[in-house]
Amino acid sequence: DAKTTQPPSMDCAEGRAANLPCNHSTISGNEYVYWYRQIHSQGPQYIIHGLKNNETNEMASLIITEDRKSSTLILPHATLRDTAVYYCIVRVAGGGNQAGTALIFGKGTTLSVSS
Amino acid sequence: ETGVTQTPRHLVMGMTNKKSLKCEQHLGHNAMYWYKQSAKKPLELMFVYNFKEQTENNSVPSRFSPECPNSSHLFLHLHTLQPEDSALYLCASSHTAGVSYEQYFGPGTRLTVT
Repeated sequence: DAKTTQPPSMDCAEGRAANLPCNHSTISGNEYVYWYRQIHSQGPQYIIHGLKNNETNEMASLIITEDRKSSTLILPHATLRDTAVYYCIVRVAGGGNQAGTALIFGKGTTLSVSS
Repeated sequence: ETGVTQTPRHLVMGMTNKKSLKCEQHLGHNAMYWYKQSAKKPLELMFVYNFKEQTENNSVPSRFSPECPNSSHLFLHLHTLQPEDSALYLCASSHTAGVSYEQYFGPGTRLTVT
């Protein structure tokens, strides 16, 4: 079973920030938070990941609470092309035999961006 | 374009046919994965390969047979499939060293078993 909880769906107006929450209350100290998204009928796309500090890249920002039990993915200016299913996944970073550990996907949040 | 390609993109096969799905990655990764995504279900892991060695088989029926001849190529051989095996089959790859293990996915093969 997935170790995260996400709302099944969210709506966002084009140009506004989309804030997608994720609860991971049982996260372990060596587990990272990863975010992927899947646009309809395509393969999942890596977005961002973090351990405990907030992270930002060209796609999004990741805000992790101090107790690490929840996080929020922020798309600062959502566009129609950001409509997708967003998955929050926790897993160990890897090393040795854990390097090939697969991702465990839940049902994710379906984000609908409308004009 | 993620650097992971899959062929064919679409496949229709009968239950008595034998076919193969191909995945190739151009990212210099050493780990490769097969996932299955059935309609309205989460992605399910099928197999994991690290440095060409199978390290995980997620209780997949023997009618699915993976092959990893080198770190850049991964095949999924299919025979005597059932209609419920119709799904999107996704290949992914990742590094096996360092901190970042983000997986890069191919576009998938949409399989229909008739």
